Amino acid sequence: DQQVKQNSPSLSVQEGRISILNCDYTNSMFDYFLWYKKYPAEGPTFLISISSIKDKNEDGRFTVFLNKSAKHLSLHIVPSQPGDSAVYFCAVPSFYNQGGKLIFGQGTELSVKP
Amino acid sequence: GAVVSQHPSRVICKSGTSVKIECRSLDFQATTMFWYRQFPKQSLMLMATSNEGSKATYEQGVEKDKFLINHASLTLSTLTVTSAHPEDSSFYICSAGAVFGAGTRLSVL
Repeated sequence: DQQVKQNSPSLSVQEGRISILNCDYTNSMFDYFLWYKKYPAEGPTFLISISSIKDKNEDGRFTVFLNKSAKHLSLHIVPSQPGDSAVYFCAVPSFYNQGGKLIFGQGTELSVKP
Repeated sequence: GAVVSQHPSRVICKSGTSVKIECRSLDFQATTMFWYRQFPKQSLMLMATSNEGSKATYEQGVEKDKFLINHASLTLSTLTVTSAHPEDSSFYICSAGAVFGAGTRLSVL
């Protein structure tokens, strides 16, 4: 049973426009969410996170929005740049936080075209 | 910041041989580390939880005798793929908490 879902496997955006990546979760007890960026043949790198006490967290071009009632979060990248092309994963710590175990969504491959 | 070093980054081996992948936490201790596997175009699948000083905990469907995990110290966990076969070819990634290694691309001929 997929507890964290990214329903869009891919997204293509023009350079300079906004990229919006979506993530849904099933367990309302999740209280912390992370976004990772992953290039091919590399490990994921942490991008941005949000706690459930907030509904928005911003870091430069990256903003994450959390809608707890809808159990939905989204990552906005604006303006999008070609170097942003990568696979983006949302993740949540395991409910019992087993030493940092993360549950990942399926990932969305973002392609930013010049 | 915290860094996890994973080695080797790429390994090619013959079918039937064993391959060891190392995962080290630099400048911090990790009593728990995690091993993931990623197939092309797919998500990161947790294989096992590596526990310092005790047995690893494997996810359902992961063969513990095939994927041997040893967490001998607070900074090192190793994953050994025993008697590797072509279907074991994949991208293996370790993590300590929210920090990930760079991954190991295993190709079994």
